[in-house]
Amino acid sequence: GQQVMQIPQYQHVQEGEDFTTYCNSSTTLSNIQWYKQRPGGHPVFLIQLVKSGEVKKQKRLTFQFGEAKKNSSLHITATQTTDVGTYFCAGRGSGTYKYIFGTGTRLKVLA
Amino acid sequence: DTGVSQDPRHKITKRGQNVTFRCDPISEHNRLYWYRQTLGQGPEFLTYFQNEAQLEKSRLLSDRFSAERPKGSFSTLEIQRTEQGDSAMYLCASSLGLWDGPTGTDTQYFGPGTRLTVL
Repeated sequence: GQQVMQIPQYQHVQEGEDFTTYCNSSTTLSNIQWYKQRPGGHPVFLIQLVKSGEVKKQKRLTFQFGEAKKNSSLHITATQTTDVGTYFCAGRGSGTYKYIFGTGTRLKVLA
Repeated sequence: DTGVSQDPRHKITKRGQNVTFRCDPISEHNRLYWYRQTLGQGPEFLTYFQNEAQLEKSRLLSDRFSAERPKGSFSTLEIQRTEQGDSAMYLCASSLGLWDGPTGTDTQYFGPGTRLTVL
């Protein structure tokens, strides 16, 4: 079955440093979504990518979808303490409504 | 509050008991998902409804789990004969279903979850 892996599992950065998390699917995806979950909270939607090679930006966040539509990345420039949380990717294969979430990358930002 | 709501927020039960959770999606959202999340893991897909039709169900889901969305609005998730391994956060999410390929989006709005503890 479809599997979605994320690396790294944890990342500690100093405030102002950059951060990247990578997501890899065992199968080709129709689309991929990214979510942020704060400690004790629920996942909150960040963005959706659909096209091969797509790149989207939201202020300091840059999202990429690989050419083969099997991998994706989230890059945060100049992290802030408000970026703390766990970032999940969620991929949907073709012919299914099911989203498979990655294992998540937990980000800690040291002030 | 017009977000997704879930009830109860916490449930403690003894092994072997049945439990039922409720999810009220955002009004007019025709898509509804149930997920299960354990500590340190991502949400695990359980089932999907489009309006009142249950269109997809995880193959990992035992037959002790059942879900309904009788009128295409709220949904319930029942777990029969609970086991300690069922202890988890049960999340519900809804979306408007404006999926039309490259120009569409399928934003899932999550509820606060129901935390189940099976003793």
